[in-house]
Amino acid sequence: GQSLEQPSEVTAVEGAIVQINCTYQTSGFYGLSWYQQHDGGAPTFLSYNALDGLEETGRFSSFLSRSDSYGYLLLQELQMKDSASYFCAVRSTGGGNKLTFGTGTQLKVEL
Amino acid sequence: DAGVTQSPTHLIKTRGQHVTLRCSPISGHKSVSWYQQVLGQGPQFIFQYYEKEERGRGNFPDRFSARQFPNYSSELNVNALLLGDSALYLCASSRGLAGAGGNEQFFGPGTRLTVL
Repeated sequence: GQSLEQPSEVTAVEGAIVQINCTYQTSGFYGLSWYQQHDGGAPTFLSYNALDGLEETGRFSSFLSRSDSYGYLLLQELQMKDSASYFCAVRSTGGGNKLTFGTGTQLKVEL
Repeated sequence: DAGVTQSPTHLIKTRGQHVTLRCSPISGHKSVSWYQQVLGQGPQFIFQYYEKEERGRGNFPDRFSARQFPNYSSELNVNALLLGDSALYLCASSRGLAGAGGNEQFFGPGTRLTVL
């Protein structure tokens, strides 16, 4: 099976940098994706890491280390609108395009 | 371009009833997947359809079924509703079948189902 663990809640101040970690156990996967979800809204795709290393997209960066079964999402220059839940998810290699999501991290950005 | 659309947005049913949820993928996307999200948890995979065929099924009972139409839209059906079926049902579309790079899934706004 597959399981992904994330911290349940992270709090940071506006303008700061925050890192959301994700550790996983999986038998095989294409890569690690990150999604943002505001209360009552749809998950929005943020980034995808197929290879080890850092991927940067604007204020967001994501990192993957397959040898450590670990990844993280880095959010810079935090804004109030970044307050949301963040999910890591693996894309399985067992055929199809099934996403297995982590437990989710609720980020609260304060003034 | 329009994103993934779902209908209805909200639905209230009673135990034992059945429900049909609908999804239209992004234009050009041939794969539709369904997820169930219970409050406070991450989405759980239910089905994937590609080219009108079921290509993946999650750990859900046979009360859950789905189909995909020639225009790639999809329906999720749930029979004999239970209180525990109350959740946000999300539809996601992607261009192709596999989970390889460049085949990200994009989610619709979801249908909020409440079973009383």
